[in-house]
Amino acid sequence: GAGVSQSPRYKVTKRGQDVALRCDPISGHVSLYWYRQALGQGPEFLTYFNYEAQQDKSGLPNDRFSAERPEGSISTLTIQRTEQRDSAMYRCASSFTARETQYFGPGTRLLVL
Amino acid sequence: GQQLNQSPQSMFIQEGEDVSMNCTSSSIFNTWLWYKQDPGEGPVLLIALYKAGELTSNGRLTAQFGITRKDSFLNISASIPSDVGIYFCAGRSATGANSKLTFGKGITLSVRP
Repeated sequence: GAGVSQSPRYKVTKRGQDVALRCDPISGHVSLYWYRQALGQGPEFLTYFNYEAQQDKSGLPNDRFSAERPEGSISTLTIQRTEQRDSAMYRCASSFTARETQYFGPGTRLLVL
Repeated sequence: GQQLNQSPQSMFIQEGEDVSMNCTSSSIFNTWLWYKQDPGEGPVLLIALYKAGELTSNGRLTAQFGITRKDSFLNISASIPSDVGIYFCAGRSATGANSKLTFGKGITLSVRP
């Protein structure tokens, strides 16, 4: 498909486990963004990349959260030692270049029990 | 984290009516965006505004970038049932090269046939 894809679409995990969320951006898009969306809220910025370089990680809540994009395409958001408060929808977006239109993926809904 | 102010949380209108939504911020933004989110999907860009005072239309949608750069509104004319969804405003900061978006909490629009 031509859009942003994310996997898994749903993830249920036990508190304390690590999870890895994957984002596959639109082909050729330089910029990739991670957002977190709680129920009844708008997306909240976590981090973004231009190519493989992480440009801004100011939105990552704490050091349990990390992201990488080693080859400038697919990105992985990793949450270590998950806590119940990490439960949310995690959305990825990509844009052709920074400051151009961001196209969002369908999200990964994470539930930490 | 900082979010833009959107209210009310929900709006109920009759099919065929016009509706206007407002978005305000305590910070200046140099780009304002309006997104729509359907159930199970990611936000989709409706209109982008790049200049203070700019008025832009996209079909039945019209949006304006406030002169103070701290607000924007979206107007939907002659509403139809498929306008149902959550409408988010988003802003991009005026400073530096940061391309992250700051979102409002969204307004859920219901259209009665």
